Amino acid sequence: QVQLVQSGAEVKKPGASVKVSCKASGYTFTDYYIHWVRQAPGQGLEWMGWINPHGRGTNSAQKFQGRVSMTRDTSISTVFLELSRLTSDDTAVYYCARVGPAGAVGGFFDNWGQGTLITVSS
Amino acid sequence: NFVLTQPHSVSESPGKTVTISCTGSSGSIVNNYVQWYQQRPGGAPTMVIYEDDRRPSGVPDRFSGSIDRSSNSASLTISGLKTEDEADYFCQSYNSGNEGVFGGGTKLTVL
Repeated sequence: QVQLVQSGAEVKKPGASVKVSCKASGYTFTDYYIHWVRQAPGQGLEWMGWINPHGRGTNSAQKFQGRVSMTRDTSISTVFLELSRLTSDDTAVYYCARVGPAGAVGGFFDNWGQGTLITVSS
Repeated sequence: NFVLTQPHSVSESPGKTVTISCTGSSGSIVNNYVQWYQQRPGGAPTMVIYEDDRRPSGVPDRFSGSIDRSSNSASLTISGLKTEDEADYFCQSYNSGNEGVFGGGTKLTVL
């Protein structure tokens, strides 16, 4: 079965960077785009961006451009989200989500990771 | 700037039917498919409707989706409400630049 397993919770200081991983299994890793979505405490879902595991192409929401990096390592079927210059506003649960159908950049999020809580606090 | 607007909360009794709306701010909501996700407290979202009105395997047929072009809105309807349906529901689509857009979410209370 399809699974997305994310790295564990982290606490970071303001100004630091964080890197979250999302390991995929149960399907051909390079066939499906992965998107990142975050959720601040008690708030709604916020789309952050996507990565094409096949061709390395990425796109991110304008508010994150310049401080977000999405990469992948096909040898371990894992995508990474790195967010720099953290502030308290970045405290949130970060989710990776697979997009169906295969090859679609703007499709439906048919499988989600369990989420990674990132807390930014001095 | 494409925005999806949902009611903050809805409530209904077990066995009844509830409809949650999702209204697009500009352009046409029919330009891209709409999805709906259910999120129970402490859990990750799960998809309950995709491509406007399609239901993933394993989702009960009590869940249905629709599009109303005249009001530029999508709707999620849940019939035969059960207490287990109590959750937050989010609609989702894309803007013209293929960037994801989520509605603010609707808290469904089944009482």
